[in-house]
Amino acid sequence: EPEVTQTPSHQVTQMGQEVILRCVPISNHLYFYWYRQILGQKVEFLVSFYNNEISEKSEIFDDQFSVERPDGSNFTLKIRSTKLEDSAMYFCASSARLGNEQFFGPGTRLTVL
Amino acid sequence: TQLLEQSPQFLSIQEGENLTVYCNSSSVFSSLQWYRQEPGEGPVLLVTVVTGGEVKKLKRLTFQFGDARKDSSLHITAAQPGDTGLYLCAGDPGTASKLTFGTGTRLQVTL
Repeated sequence: EPEVTQTPSHQVTQMGQEVILRCVPISNHLYFYWYRQILGQKVEFLVSFYNNEISEKSEIFDDQFSVERPDGSNFTLKIRSTKLEDSAMYFCASSARLGNEQFFGPGTRLTVL
Repeated sequence: TQLLEQSPQFLSIQEGENLTVYCNSSSVFSSLQWYRQEPGEGPVLLVTVVTGGEVKKLKRLTFQFGDARKDSSLHITAAQPGDTGLYLCAGDPGTASKLTFGTGTRLQVTL
């Protein structure tokens, strides 16, 4: 069964460093998303992406964040200068069509020291 | 900002009992999805409900979307230890490009 994959599973970085989180969405899906979940809190929407551009973003997704689909399979989230409060689980999701079910990856646990 | 409140937050029951989890909002959602999440893993989709009043069954799990599409419920019959996990509802507010997640219900089923 096709699934969303994410790498790495765990990333530890120093405050101020750049990190890139990688995702491979389900192959025939066209809509891609990033969410985050701070420990003990609910899952929060960050950004959605379609046709090589951002469709919608939340107030969390400030200038420190960017997304890219560098090739036909990968979808990345970059945080330019990490802060302690960026520590969270980051989930990638994809859907086949707008308004369709979103399928989530296993997540990347980001720890900022 | 559209909010989804789930109740109860925590539920500990014995195997064989029935339970209902509620997901409520003051806002209308065009669709609502239920996920289950294990510790350290991503949410796994259980079901999507789209039409007001819709009822969907997945083995021992019954999902209902409220008539006004503002609330939903998940009913589990004869709970088993394998049902243990965090249950999340998530609504599409109509933009179709994001999901708003509920606060979650952590279920523990013991023998």
